[in-house]
Amino acid sequence: AQSVTQLDSHVSVSEGTPVLLRCNYSSSYSPSLFWYVQHPNKGLQLLLKYTSAATLVKGINGFEAEFKKSETSFHLTKPSAHMSDAAEYFCVVSDGNMLTFGGGTRLMVKP
Amino acid sequence: DAGITQSPRHKVTETGTPVTLRCHQTENHRYMYWYRQDPGHGLRLIHYSYGVKDTDKGEVSDGYSVSRSKTEDFLLTLESATSSQTSVYFCAISDEDRGSYNEQFFGPGTRLTVL
Repeated sequence: AQSVTQLDSHVSVSEGTPVLLRCNYSSSYSPSLFWYVQHPNKGLQLLLKYTSAATLVKGINGFEAEFKKSETSFHLTKPSAHMSDAAEYFCVVSDGNMLTFGGGTRLMVKP
Repeated sequence: DAGITQSPRHKVTETGTPVTLRCHQTENHRYMYWYRQDPGHGLRLIHYSYGVKDTDKGEVSDGYSVSRSKTEDFLLTLESATSSQTSVYFCAISDEDRGSYNEQFFGPGTRLTVL
């Protein structure tokens, strides 16, 4: 069985400051991990994915995530938040064709 | 963007009525999925399909059935809608089995309200 825990349901940052969205996972296999973003009233868009190559993964819009097996974590970061980053973010684990989603983190960006 | 459409995009119905949601893809992907999204739960898998007429249950399949008679279409049916099935429903597709590397592409969603 696999599971994902997003440690914060809401995160608020000021524009121009760093973003950290935390994710811990549990999986019986060597998993693939993803971060998806959902803007209001929109579908889900893939930000980045880890597939057992480099542990530091770069995604779109300046986001990156680091896979830490010893900590079973896959935290999402961005050096400088932009107003357009305000959205809900989902950490996802896959052991094949099945995805398991975390509960989501809503990121708010203050001007 | 992956060619995935969902219809209808919004629907309001009454308890006890049947409802069918349609997912259509133009990517010729083998796998198709139905999820529901509820606050605090992320997305939860209802049913999925790994080929024409090949389907299986997901985490929250009770009260739902699916059919896939063509590669491009995956239908989700609520035989007798209940208020607990008020949700946003997303369809997703993915390519041939590449082990755990499969990325899923999501449709725009259908907002269903059961009164």
